[in-house]
Amino acid sequence: GNSVTQMEGPVTLSEEAFLTINCTYTATGYPSLFWYVQYPGEGLQLLLKATKADDKGSNKGFEATYRKETTSFHLEKGSVQVSDSAVYFCALSFYGSGNTGKLIFGQGTTLQVKP
Amino acid sequence: GAVVSQHPSRVICKSGTSVKIECRSLDFQATTMFWYRQFPKQSLMLMATSNEGSKATYEQGVEKDKFLINHASLTLSTLTVTSAHPEDSSFYICSASRGVAGTEAFFGQGTRLTVV
Repeated sequence: GNSVTQMEGPVTLSEEAFLTINCTYTATGYPSLFWYVQYPGEGLQLLLKATKADDKGSNKGFEATYRKETTSFHLEKGSVQVSDSAVYFCALSFYGSGNTGKLIFGQGTTLQVKP
Repeated sequence: GAVVSQHPSRVICKSGTSVKIECRSLDFQATTMFWYRQFPKQSLMLMATSNEGSKATYEQGVEKDKFLINHASLTLSTLTVTSAHPEDSSFYICSASRGVAGTEAFFGQGTRLTVV
């Protein structure tokens, strides 16, 4: 079946450190891939997406590349800030190039950034 | 981006009672809404998809008589957990979409349900 696996958290980093949150997927077919972020007390927000192999999604300094050969979509940021502290979810969808209905999520990774 | 409001954010109820959770799209018409559930340290799992004016489509293993979903208007969907039990305690979150292929779905803040 289709599934998404993320690295377990919490991930604790100092400000300005490099961030990687691993995400791998299992899918029949060619899904679109997404990263969502959830700040405390708020709903999930779409952070970035990639709809086909080798696409790179980027937003707010975060990047992730759709790697079909390794079935991965790792999230990276060169220099994290305290304000990046949140829960990050990797997800996939088969419903259109940007349609984020019926998502399959990973379990979420909590990021804590300390000053 | 579009705003989706979910209410309440937290609720505690007694075993055997029913609880209603509301999901509202504040600044757009949501043709389609999705309800997810998250157990501690596990993924968000899709429970059902609802289209305005029609019956919800439930995912395999989700009891439709226990989790009643109503999507009577283009801005409101409700999830009612009937005869709640402690094992229903979970985090429930909705998302709303205009329903057009290729469009983004926007999430509410989620509801933490605790059944005692």
